[in-house]
Amino acid sequence: GAVVSQHPSRVICKSGTSVKIECRSLDFQATTMFWYRQFPKQSLMLMATSNEGSKATYEQGVEKDKFLINHASLTLSTLTVTSAHPEDSSFYICSALYRNTEAFFGQGTRLTVV
Amino acid sequence: GDSVTQMEGPVTLSEEAFLTINCTYTATGYPSLFWYVQYPGEGLQLLLKATKADDKGSNKGFEATYRKETTSFHLEKGSVQVSDSAVYFCALSDGQAGTALIFGKGTTLSVSS
Repeated sequence: GAVVSQHPSRVICKSGTSVKIECRSLDFQATTMFWYRQFPKQSLMLMATSNEGSKATYEQGVEKDKFLINHASLTLSTLTVTSAHPEDSSFYICSALYRNTEAFFGQGTRLTVV
Repeated sequence: GDSVTQMEGPVTLSEEAFLTINCTYTATGYPSLFWYVQYPGEGLQLLLKATKADDKGSNKGFEATYRKETTSFHLEKGSVQVSDSAVYFCALSDGQAGTALIFGKGTTLSVSS
């Protein structure tokens, strides 16, 4: 099946700094990618839809200036958490649409802000 | 809007027990339905799917049947193993190209030997 790679798998950063998370589709091109956030023992919350070559579409309540999404190529989308604070600590998961229909997920990134 | 409701966990079973995790959905159109599994510290893996009513998805001994009349997609396995311990998510796609999956809250399964 199609492979989506997310990097890093774990990151610890200091409060106030920025962190970039990469999501790559390794063996297919993905026009659309999604970013989710998962709180402990809770479901995945869709943060934004990332379309190659255009601005991301953010879900209600998600700060687009804090969670910067760039989908610069058909195989790479990045999520940058700017001026991170402890409340941004979470598990972030990306997914990429294969042939614009089937979603494949990255391994997730555990972000800890100290 | 569309939504997915699945049974609250955790579900605790002994090895070789029968598993059912209930999932119901609300959708205006004709969604595709999915079960994903998440092992500790990992992302989501597709377990099985069904794209139309009465379809049965199956994989690794797990099965789920798309029931339009009851708007359900319950996950079953006849004999669970310790290695099945994970979080299971029911999800739907509205079938429109380029749209995100809608997930249930997840059910934690713990299997002991």
